[in-house]
Amino acid sequence: QSVLTQPPSVSAAPGQKVTISCSGSSSNIGNNYVSWYQQLPGTAPKLLIYENNKRPSGIPDRFSGSKSGTSATLGITGLQTGDEADYYCGTWDSSLSAGSWVFGGGTKLTVL
Amino acid sequence: QVQLQESGPGLVKPSETLSLTCAVSGYSISSGYYWGWIRQPPGKGLEWIGSIYHSGSTYYNPSLKSRVTISVDTSKNQFSLKLSSVTAADTAVYYCAREDATYGVRYWGQGTLVTVSS
Repeated sequence: QSVLTQPPSVSAAPGQKVTISCSGSSSNIGNNYVSWYQQLPGTAPKLLIYENNKRPSGIPDRFSGSKSGTSATLGITGLQTGDEADYYCGTWDSSLSAGSWVFGGGTKLTVL
Repeated sequence: QVQLQESGPGLVKPSETLSLTCAVSGYSISSGYYWGWIRQPPGKGLEWIGSIYHSGSTYYNPSLKSRVTISVDTSKNQFSLKLSSVTAADTAVYYCAREDATYGVRYWGQGTLVTVSS
């Protein structure tokens, strides 16, 4: 059971747009920055979005992030077959005195 | 370019201690950021294990805290993970990474599969 809740799967056709939601609470998303990660099969996760909506250099602007209250959303436009991957949200959780990183359970994106 | 590389045994017996090291290149651990470990059981999601600052201060996943020790060796620019009393449930790909609450987990190692089996 992950602290952050994501849909297990989403799908869309090439060229279309898809959104992936990430739901948390005031101790994590509500008061901390959200980041998003793409994990292609057999590879390490890759940072797509940090600080809720910023992209590291080299990440195309087809990828976007937003946050509202205790939820965050990853958007991907102009879907490509190469976007098929697992996507994870992550953030710091300050519910305990020491704090900890928490991740969503992951969402598998299928490009039909 | 910051690079991280995990090393350690790929097979550990139940009840023994899992030990991994992460060598960092392209950035000095002493310069800042938290350095941590994240694991992924086969076919499952990501689980944060814990992280350490160059000064030695640590944060651990509460569910693993009693079994985890993360240490840093700034002279070798590397940090290490020890997970004691392992069971089959600890079988996973273990990633080392550079973490930051604002900038996310920006740099990851390639990951190393550790299997717990007799």
